[in-house]
Amino acid sequence: DAEITQSPRHKITETGRQVTLACHQTWNHNNMFWYRQDLGHGLRLIHYSYGVQDTNKGEVSDGYSVSRSNTEDLPLTLESAASSQTSVYFCASSESGTPYGYTFGSGTRLTVV
Amino acid sequence: DAKTTQPNSMESNEEEPVHLPCNHSTISGTDYIHWYRQLPSQGPEYVIHGLTSNVNNRMASLAIAEDRKSSTLILHRATLRDAAVYYCILLTGNQFYFGTGTSLTVIP
Repeated sequence: DAEITQSPRHKITETGRQVTLACHQTWNHNNMFWYRQDLGHGLRLIHYSYGVQDTNKGEVSDGYSVSRSNTEDLPLTLESAASSQTSVYFCASSESGTPYGYTFGSGTRLTVV
Repeated sequence: DAKTTQPNSMESNEEEPVHLPCNHSTISGTDYIHWYRQLPSQGPEYVIHGLTSNVNNRMASLAIAEDRKSSTLILHRATLRDAAVYYCILLTGNQFYFGTGTSLTVIP
């Protein structure tokens, strides 16, 4: 069965370190998205991609980067982790050109100490 | 910019219908109305979506106002497993922007 997986599920890192969160989908979806979820803010869009070599900034992109070298993966990198980036991160994917919405991963809980 | 407005929380008795309202007064003609729910410690999951007409599926029904400025998600018989945060979202192009949703409590 097709799926979308995130790894790791939990991570603790130190301030200033570079961290990469993985997202892998086997749906063959062109569109992929990264959100963060904080109490009181719902889900906020960080970065998104509509296909290989395409990346775009979302509403809270500062301090984050993504790259899309193949259809299946969209890793999220925190260049220099800050305590304000402690959050739960969700990856999602969707087909192009349809209104059918997203499939979400199970999330990565990141703690920056 | 969530573009939708929902009550922060609602309660329902088990096995009774639940009507979750959503206002989206700035909706454009091509925006689809989507509903997702998020169970504790899980990612959001798709519930239902629609454009203009009311929609039914095995999980719920979606009633869309004639002017499309509001919609209502209907759970026909609430169960304890329906306790979750429900998000009403407009799909603009290929992007969702989530609000804070409605936290539904189901009372046994």
